Amino acid sequence: EAGVAQSPRYKIIEKRQSVAFWCNPISGHATLYWYQQILGQGPKLLIQFQNNGVVDDSQLPKDRFSAERLKGVDSTLKIQPAKLEDSAVYLCASSFYNQPQHFGDGTRLSIL
Amino acid sequence: GNSVTQMEGPVTLSEEAFLTINCTYTATGYPSLFWYVQYPGEGLQLLLKATKADDKGSNKGFEATYRKETTSFHLEKGSVQVSDSAVYFCALTGGGSNYKLTFGKGTLLTVNP
Repeated sequence: EAGVAQSPRYKIIEKRQSVAFWCNPISGHATLYWYQQILGQGPKLLIQFQNNGVVDDSQLPKDRFSAERLKGVDSTLKIQPAKLEDSAVYLCASSFYNQPQHFGDGTRLSIL
Repeated sequence: GNSVTQMEGPVTLSEEAFLTINCTYTATGYPSLFWYVQYPGEGLQLLLKATKADDKGSNKGFEATYRKETTSFHLEKGSVQVSDSAVYFCALTGGGSNYKLTFGKGTLLTVNP
């Protein structure tokens, strides 16, 4: 089975610019997650979708971050404008409801 | 809220040594517990899981037992290999309809030949 696909793998931008990440989950997985992993820390959930509805976005900085899941499949995460502290790896994961989550390889974002 | 505390790293071992990485948790209700592994430049992979008290998860020679009385889920392996070098994360889900993972900070393991 194909895994969770993410792109791009790496992105370098200057502060105050905008950036977008894309995620294609495993086919049939209803639940999709975006995590932020800052260097030296464990991943932290930003947002969780079930189908195309938001289940949890309590840790998403909504003044600059936004996410959508079109037609309950692919998802995009956007940051606008970026701050230095947003430098991190952004991980997408998917699961079939409460089954274990499968992770993509992540997008490493560097803010200059 | 839920939280996970795991042993600070880095941990450096020689090949064939015994490995223990400690993990304790705080959670309401009946969490499921996981160990994930992250190899350099890759995403996280599920290593093992346990969904109720006294369950033992195992995979690739690694084991961990869900201990409700001590709120612990320590990872062990009897004989590590160089290929086990990676970052290991302990995590939990709180149950109900929110399946989000709460992670510990991770422990870097380096195994030398």
